[in-house]
Amino acid sequence: DVKVTQSSRYLVKRTGEKVFLECVQDMDHENMFWYRQDPGLGLRLIYFSYDVKMKEKGDIPEGYSVSREKKERFSLILESASTNQTSMYLCASSFRIAPDTQYFGPGTRLTVL
Amino acid sequence: SQQGEEDPQALSIQEGENATMNCSYKTSINNLQWYRQNSGRGLVHLILIRSNEREKHSGRLRVTLDTSKKSSSLLITASRAADTASYFCASSGSARQLTFGSGTQLTVLP
Repeated sequence: DVKVTQSSRYLVKRTGEKVFLECVQDMDHENMFWYRQDPGLGLRLIYFSYDVKMKEKGDIPEGYSVSREKKERFSLILESASTNQTSMYLCASSFRIAPDTQYFGPGTRLTVL
Repeated sequence: SQQGEEDPQALSIQEGENATMNCSYKTSINNLQWYRQNSGRGLVHLILIRSNEREKHSGRLRVTLDTSKKSSSLLITASRAADTASYFCASSGSARQLTFGSGTQLTVLP
């Protein structure tokens, strides 16, 4: 089975802090994705990566950056956390770029105070 | 951009009944996928239907796709309390990403 893990289930940070969310997949997938999920808005794509050191902006990249130094690991970085970044963050991976099935991690619920 | 929209937003049924959820999308697609999310967890892929398919079955799940109406439906037959979850459709078009709807919250009462 594909396993996608995220570094934290719950995280509480203060406004202005730098926040790192880590995601690791064990199936040698080419593609990895970061979403945020907010009530009533569904999942919105922040960034995705289709290869090591490659990244593309999704629908809402502002205030975020990403890093993919190794194939299995994709990090989401909040350079200076703000309260409007309080959300559930979901990482996913897939063998091929869409239209392939995506496999999701359990999510990180981030609260920014 | 948010392309898929599920209907209804919330659905409550008795155990044993069938549950039907609908999804609409706006542009042409390669395929449409349905995912399930238990409360506070990640999404799990349920089923994928390609644009040249009209109907697909997987266990108690039946998915239909009408590309002329840009819509899909997910039917769960003989529902169980364990089916309580949020269900999302995700459409795949020419862009290299999936576009998820806002989901249907299904509650199955024992």
